[in-house]
Amino acid sequence: NAGVTQTPKFQVLKTGQSMTLQCAQDMNHNSMYWYRQDPGMGLRLIYYSASEGTTDKGEVPNGYNVSRLNKREFSLRLESAAPSQTSVYFCAWAQGQNTEAFFGQGTRLTVV
Amino acid sequence: GQQLNQSPQSMFIQEGEDVSMNCTSSSIFNTWLWYKQDPGEGPVLLIALYKAGELTSNGRLTAQFGITRKDSFLNISASIPSDVGIYFCAGQRYSGTSYGKLTFGQGTILTVHP
Repeated sequence: NAGVTQTPKFQVLKTGQSMTLQCAQDMNHNSMYWYRQDPGMGLRLIYYSASEGTTDKGEVPNGYNVSRLNKREFSLRLESAAPSQTSVYFCAWAQGQNTEAFFGQGTRLTVV
Repeated sequence: GQQLNQSPQSMFIQEGEDVSMNCTSSSIFNTWLWYKQDPGEGPVLLIALYKAGELTSNGRLTAQFGITRKDSFLNISASIPSDVGIYFCAGQRYSGTSYGKLTFGQGTILTVHP
């Protein structure tokens, strides 16, 4: 997906460590999302941002914080990682109303 | 929890058969999207639907946005081995307190036997 960067691709954390997942797009899209994907659970929305400066909780926000300081970047922070946060995390983005949403390649996070 | 009910959860079919899967919701959506995910990859958009009643095709894929705006289906005709993967529906809302929220179904795992 040209113009979009999701980092890192892989990460192993110890319980209690913190980290930030980064998502950046240079396509001037308004809406950005963070999902986690676990076996048998599909894609569950953690947080989303309909526009710069606004964020809203999704289905599973506990244990996470997000930041949308500008239009291109939407970061997801784990302040104190727990084994239950072992998952694959996807950033997604959309231009806005009545437009398609596209996904990054994902971050595979393991918390030991 | 999930607001979209996607069915079936899995399908095992023979190459050449047609496939049908659907999503239903108790809430109205403004946009319905269908994605396919291959192992180790992010979901890839297949079809986007923007109007109630809209019927859209993309090659062997056909999807419809239900009249009530609470459901959608995806059909795959003449399946081939590369159709194997997980298919997700997603609904997007641009009204009320959930403005911009994009919610996914739990996915349909498709297996195609040659």
